[in-house]
Amino acid sequence: SAVISQKPSRDICQRGTSLTIQCQVDSQVTMMFWYRQQPGQSLTLIATANQGSEATYESGFVIDKFPISRPNLTFSTLTVSNMSPEDSSIYLCSVRGWSQRYNEQFFGPGTRLTVL
Amino acid sequence: DAKTTQPTSMDCAEGRAANLPCNHSTISGNEYVYWYRQIHSQGPQYIIHGLKNNETNEMASLIITEDRKSSTLILPHATLRDTAVYYCIVRVKTYSNTGKLIFGQGTTLQVKP
Repeated sequence: SAVISQKPSRDICQRGTSLTIQCQVDSQVTMMFWYRQQPGQSLTLIATANQGSEATYESGFVIDKFPISRPNLTFSTLTVSNMSPEDSSIYLCSVRGWSQRYNEQFFGPGTRLTVL
Repeated sequence: DAKTTQPTSMDCAEGRAANLPCNHSTISGNEYVYWYRQIHSQGPQYIIHGLKNNETNEMASLIITEDRKSSTLILPHATLRDTAVYYCIVRVKTYSNTGKLIFGQGTTLQVKP
């Protein structure tokens, strides 16, 4: 499967600050996604990261709060801006369109964020 | 995308087959059925997917009913390491491979010794 790495793996941040999470894939993929998993909950899709254009956000998520970049076919970043304790979650990068397993979607290990 | 319904939790004895049901009665003809699992604190792991035919791989089998309104994931010989939350998801099949995976609450499978 595609190998996905995320940095940082975890962080503890202060209220009002911002954190940028990086997602790196070991091969080119067509689709990249960002998900959030709040404590004890299922995964919620934040946005689809489109290469060379603005991300497509799901209802309830806005670009000012979660700016996303995708400069190429192997890399994306998610920024959590002006953080509050409610942003404490695991943030997961996900990819689809890996050439050898085109319809399968893979997930990274996640970034565990705690906001104090 | 069609909505799925799964039991909240299930138990299975170690070494026995685990059969996890999923209802997707509003599924369209161009929607895949995907199964993922999430072991505590890890990213979801892809298990299997299918459109209308039954599928089998090294991890599991996927049985889709003829009307496609429900499916069953079968883990043939469950082990303690199969204890996880299992998610059944439908995704629209498009030419450009777009379409989102939307997760529900899943089934918590507890494999017991």
